[in-house]
Amino acid sequence: EAEVAQSPRYKITEKSQAVAFWCDPISGHATLYWYRQILGQGPELLVQFQDESVVDDSQLPKDRFSAERLKGVDSTLKIQPAELGDSAMYLCASSLASSDTQYFGPGTRLTVL
Amino acid sequence: AQSVTQLDSQVPVFEEAPVELRCNYSSSVSVYLFWYVQYPNQGLQLLLKYLSGSTLVKGINGFEAEFNKSQTSFHLRKPSVHISDTAEYFCAVSDLFSGAGSYQLTFGKGTKLSVIP
Repeated sequence: EAEVAQSPRYKITEKSQAVAFWCDPISGHATLYWYRQILGQGPELLVQFQDESVVDDSQLPKDRFSAERLKGVDSTLKIQPAELGDSAMYLCASSLASSDTQYFGPGTRLTVL
Repeated sequence: AQSVTQLDSQVPVFEEAPVELRCNYSSSVSVYLFWYVQYPNQGLQLLLKYLSGSTLVKGINGFEAEFNKSQTSFHLRKPSVHISDTAEYFCAVSDLFSGAGSYQLTFGKGTKLSVIP
């Protein structure tokens, strides 16, 4: 069964450092999402792509976060510089189209010291 | 804008007992409803979804949910739980996000189900 792949699974960094997360969606899925899940909360959408274009990044803290999906397939989420409050699980999801079911990857657990 | 309320943050239940996890939503338009399960340090796995049609939806692992439009609820049930059902469960609503012209999920804060041997 096809799955969404994410790496790394765990990342520990010091504040003010740069970090990057990678996501490979299910093959053929045009829509890709990045979510942040703070401990004890539900996931919150950071950014949504349709193919290579950003559809919604209204909740992305653009002073430090950036996301790209250059060829409309895999995607990278970057944080620079990381802050203590960025410690969270970062989840990637994909769907065939925006109205279809979203399938989630295993996530990247970020700890900022 | 839509919102999701999961009324119980934690639900302990004995093994083989029935369980109901409650979810209420608010939205001004027709919605799609989902339940996802998350095991520790893992991503979310889809349990079941309601798109249209029958209001009783059956999912994986013996779970089912009933859509009640008048009460804006989508409660999750299982008649007999197992130890392996211990996890966090998230209810989510999806509707058209006009700002982006596409569908987006809004999640509740989750309910931690603990199955006691």
